[in-house]
Amino acid sequence: GESVGLHLPTLSVQEGDNSIINCAYSNSPSDYFIWYKQESGKGPQFIIDIRSNMDKRQGQRVTVLLNKTVKHLSLQIAATQPGDSAVYFCAENNSSYKLIFGSGTRLLVRP
Amino acid sequence: GAGVSQTPSNKVTEKGKYVELRCDPISGHTALYWYRQSLGQGPEFLIYFQGTGAADDSGLPNDRFFAVRPEGSVSTLKIQRTERGDSAVYLCASSRGAGELFFGEGSRLTVL
Repeated sequence: GESVGLHLPTLSVQEGDNSIINCAYSNSPSDYFIWYKQESGKGPQFIIDIRSNMDKRQGQRVTVLLNKTVKHLSLQIAATQPGDSAVYFCAENNSSYKLIFGSGTRLLVRP
Repeated sequence: GAGVSQTPSNKVTEKGKYVELRCDPISGHTALYWYRQSLGQGPEFLIYFQGTGAADDSGLPNDRFFAVRPEGSVSTLKIQRTERGDSAVYLCASSRGAGELFFGEGSRLTVL
């Protein structure tokens, strides 16, 4: 399910540590899942995506895991850096064009 | 331009007024999307254009909202009789077909 509100969940990590951001997605069948990063005053920026026929996909310093059994998506960021501080959103795409965004998580990186 | 351009970046208006928000997509992108983002929430779909036509406007909240893309490039989101609840960041995105969406920085609308 999704929750919305004025107060975003916040994850605070030490610079250099790994970060794990979680997301539960909806019950509708989705083919495609995406993680976005949104810095203050900017639009969402694509990070990494994964198709529903995959369990794991790796990018540069980022890994996305998909658990279809429990409808759970996670984003792992290795060696977190100050520039990673932002709000992270998961999104699902159950059509060819419409994205459904989940609630965001604010990542704070402590120097 | 290099990215999706949205103007104005900030708009303050009074309740009941009419506003227009403009989006200039990435050159060559046939698909254009409008999303609305309220404080502390993820973006919510409003409308999708493929070329000049609105392929899906199911996300528009009511008939005060309307969007056009007359030449298949620039799009304008129009809001009539604005209400305080319309205050949000309006995001535009474009893509090449069904590919990755590229978002603009948004237009922040404040209705007093």
